[in-house]
Amino acid sequence: DTAVSQTPKYLVTQMGNDKSIKCEQNLGHDTMYWYKQDSKKFLKIMFSYNNKELIINETVPNRFSPKSPDKAHLNLHINSLELGDSAVYFCASSQGTASYEQYFGPGTRLTVT
Amino acid sequence: AQSVAQPEDQVNVAEGNPLTVKCTYSVSGNPYLFWYVQYPNRGLQFLLKYITGDNLVKGSYGFEAEFNKSQTSFHLKKPSALVSDSALYFCAVRVDYNTDKLIFGTGTRLQVFP
Repeated sequence: DTAVSQTPKYLVTQMGNDKSIKCEQNLGHDTMYWYKQDSKKFLKIMFSYNNKELIINETVPNRFSPKSPDKAHLNLHINSLELGDSAVYFCASSQGTASYEQYFGPGTRLTVT
Repeated sequence: AQSVAQPEDQVNVAEGNPLTVKCTYSVSGNPYLFWYVQYPNRGLQFLLKYITGDNLVKGSYGFEAEFNKSQTSFHLKKPSALVSDSALYFCAVRVDYNTDKLIFGTGTRLQVFP
């Protein structure tokens, strides 16, 4: 049973396109996150939702828009893709407070050509 | 500024020897500290955390970490390394009490040689 799943696993697209990455967790967690890991493996928080409410919104281009239709899902939509958006995007979830560990999905490798 | 540092890009150790992966932090208030491991082409996996209590915390796969408040460190340790421990290790610290935000260190690649 996959706890945090992401689709697709790989995404190759051209500059200027719009794409979405989907995330689902079956852990019953209240909080979900999106992280970006660049080619040097640096990991940075992008967004966080708690009970479908946006609580962390880091300084990312507004081409990135998260959407949480329910507690178990957090999708990431990216408009007008740029070369610099190429990275691995990780979804994660936690029970909702800072003392709880986060569970990560397998990642989506986005390549923009 | 709040931060977390992993001073070593890579740590090499022979199988069976003890290993240490270093982490130091700078936060206001009481720190919540975490260690995660990332195997190739996988997401991060939680190893252990320090929230409060004993300074020595034990986690998954035989790992442990020692919280040292005076040195603001949270080094990851294992008494006897395995080749299968080879992976990328991340230290993380909570920096925002209201939003649950974590910041991650730059990662340390652990190589365990047979």
